[in-house]
Amino acid sequence: QKEVEQDPGPLSVPEGAIVSLNCTYSNSAFQYFMWYRQYSRKGPELLMYTYSSGNKEDGRFTAQVDKSSKYISLFIRDSQPSDSATYLCAMSAEVYGNKLVFGAGTILRVKS
Amino acid sequence: DAGVTQSPTHLIKTRGQQVTLRCSPKSGHDTVSWYQQALGQGPQFIFQYYEEEERQRGNFPDRFSGHQFPNYSSELNVNALLLGDSALYLCASSLGRRGSPLHFGNGTRLTVT
Repeated sequence: QKEVEQDPGPLSVPEGAIVSLNCTYSNSAFQYFMWYRQYSRKGPELLMYTYSSGNKEDGRFTAQVDKSSKYISLFIRDSQPSDSATYLCAMSAEVYGNKLVFGAGTILRVKS
Repeated sequence: DAGVTQSPTHLIKTRGQQVTLRCSPKSGHDTVSWYQQALGQGPQFIFQYYEEEERQRGNFPDRFSGHQFPNYSSELNVNALLLGDSALYLCASSLGRRGSPLHFGNGTRLTVT
């Protein structure tokens, strides 16, 4: 079993839809949770960073962490075609640690 | 403000050969980490360099080695290439071993034939 599980999709939604992306994990030592966006032929770009359980909002993006269920989510409101990318969840036992454990990534396609 | 730069962008090698990939960290950053991203997978941590020493290592064989120079730039070396080493190799930089988020480069696409 992988430490971090993420549905690879692809997930296809119409423009303006609310998107929900999820990851589950098995290592209870993970304390820090991140979401990265990766466009084709580009490196991952940090979108959201959260510590422990709770919600964090940044513009159209909301990150949610439920440590009791070992489950994290990223919500995208009013999705745009420019949001089409691969979304990677990542976790670490250290604050901003360099040794991140990534999920496999979910491919998102937003249709105009 | 220059971000993380990697060279070359693409590389084709034959099984058994050796390869060197290069990375310049984001301006102001002093820590470099390397990740391997196989097709359709998330990045996997290879190792981290700080103050010119390897500080952390993931589950990769000794064929994977690295170096960090006094100007904080870094090299990843892979010996005795296998077909399974074909992947996107990502360099990420940060300030200090802890305390700042990782900034990734666009990677080097390595194909082993």
